[in-house]
Amino acid sequence: NAGVTQTPKFQVLKTGQSMTLQCAQDMNHEYMSWYRQDPGMGLRLIHYSVGAGITDQGEVPNGYNVSRSTTEDFPLRLLSAAPSQTSVYFCASRTGAYSNQPQHFGDGTRLSIL
Amino acid sequence: AQSVSQHNHHVILSEAASLELGCNYSYGGTVNLFWYVQYPGQHLQLLLKYFSGDPLVKGIKGFEAEFIKSKFSFNLRKPSVQWSDTAEYFCAVNGKTGGSYIPTFGRGTSLIVHP
Repeated sequence: NAGVTQTPKFQVLKTGQSMTLQCAQDMNHEYMSWYRQDPGMGLRLIHYSVGAGITDQGEVPNGYNVSRSTTEDFPLRLLSAAPSQTSVYFCASRTGAYSNQPQHFGDGTRLSIL
Repeated sequence: AQSVSQHNHHVILSEAASLELGCNYSYGGTVNLFWYVQYPGQHLQLLLKYFSGDPLVKGIKGFEAEFIKSKFSFNLRKPSVQWSDTAEYFCAVNGKTGGSYIPTFGRGTSLIVHP
């Protein structure tokens, strides 16, 4: 049972480069989300999705795009990387689009922008 | 809008000491509350949750939390910590936004337990 799988685990980019962080879950969860974790800031929601074809913005969406073409996958795209996007990114999922259940988290992607 | 405040940013304890981490939330509706733990280099894992009923909730590894509605608090406790409890702890609240429950996390508390 893989749960939530994120790739890559580490990445270094130059300013202005683009990149897609991958997230896949095998639990048939409807709700998926992306967070960034910065020291002293906790987890901040970037984007979330309540099902295939439906996405919405979280607290810090600027500079990031998402799409949800399948239930399993929820990629996060950085179109033009900036040093301020250096962070650890976590993908999470939970059962039920509108449920109040806790989330399952992936192992994270540590991203550095030079 | 909902918010979560964790008052202790860094806590250092010796093994066998008692632990209490504060969490206060702001939300006008029915709340669902969570504590997650993140061990060094790992992802967040659920420690315990409160939906309704008994306000004293027991979680894994001997942790418990008490929901006090009048104080908007959900403090995490453990009577005797171990070195393996060294981790970062996050309080979170689920609030409804446009029909869906969107979690908001506190800034986290870093706990270091000395052997």
